[in-house]
Amino acid sequence: EPEVTQTPSHQVTQMGQEVILRCVPISNHLYFYWYRQILGQKVEFLVSFYNNEISEKSEIFDDQFSVERPDGSNFTLKIRSTKLEDSAMYFCASAGAGSLYNEQFFGPGTRLTVL
Amino acid sequence: AQSVAQPEDQVNVAEGNPLTVKCTYSVSGNPYLFWYVQYPNRGLQFLLKYITGDNLVKGSYGFEAEFNKSQTSFHLKKPSALVSDSALYFCAVSRHNTDKLIFGTGTRLQVFP
Repeated sequence: EPEVTQTPSHQVTQMGQEVILRCVPISNHLYFYWYRQILGQKVEFLVSFYNNEISEKSEIFDDQFSVERPDGSNFTLKIRSTKLEDSAMYFCASAGAGSLYNEQFFGPGTRLTVL
Repeated sequence: AQSVAQPEDQVNVAEGNPLTVKCTYSVSGNPYLFWYVQYPNRGLQFLLKYITGDNLVKGSYGFEAEFNKSQTSFHLKKPSALVSDSALYFCAVSRHNTDKLIFGTGTRLQVFP
């Protein structure tokens, strides 16, 4: 069964450093999303991406964040200068393009720890 | 703005007993409603969805959910709980078919042998 994969599973970084979180969505999917879950809190939407551009972004997704689909398979989230409060589990999701609705499939997540 | 409420942080149930995990929502227009489950150190796994049609939807692992428009609820149910059902359950809502998901705070289900 196809699945969304994410690397690395755990990333530890120093405050102020740049990190890139990588995702490989399901191959025939067209819609891509990033969410995050701060420990003990709910899952929050960050950004959605379709046709090589951002469809929607939340207020969390400020100028320190960017997304890219550099080739036909990867979907990346970059945090330019990490802050302590960026520590969270980051989930990538993808969805196909169906006639009614295709549910979002989530990857296993990347745990980001900012020291 | 859309929102989801899961009023119970934790639900405890004995194995073999029926379980219910509650969810209410607020959204303008017709809601798209979902349940996801999260096992420890795993991502979110899709369980079931309501888009339109029959108010009772059936999903994976024997779970079902009932959409109630008048009460704006979408409670998750299972007739007979298993210990392996113990996990974190999230209800989510969206406004259209490519929209972001808005999640509730999650309910931890603990099934005791």
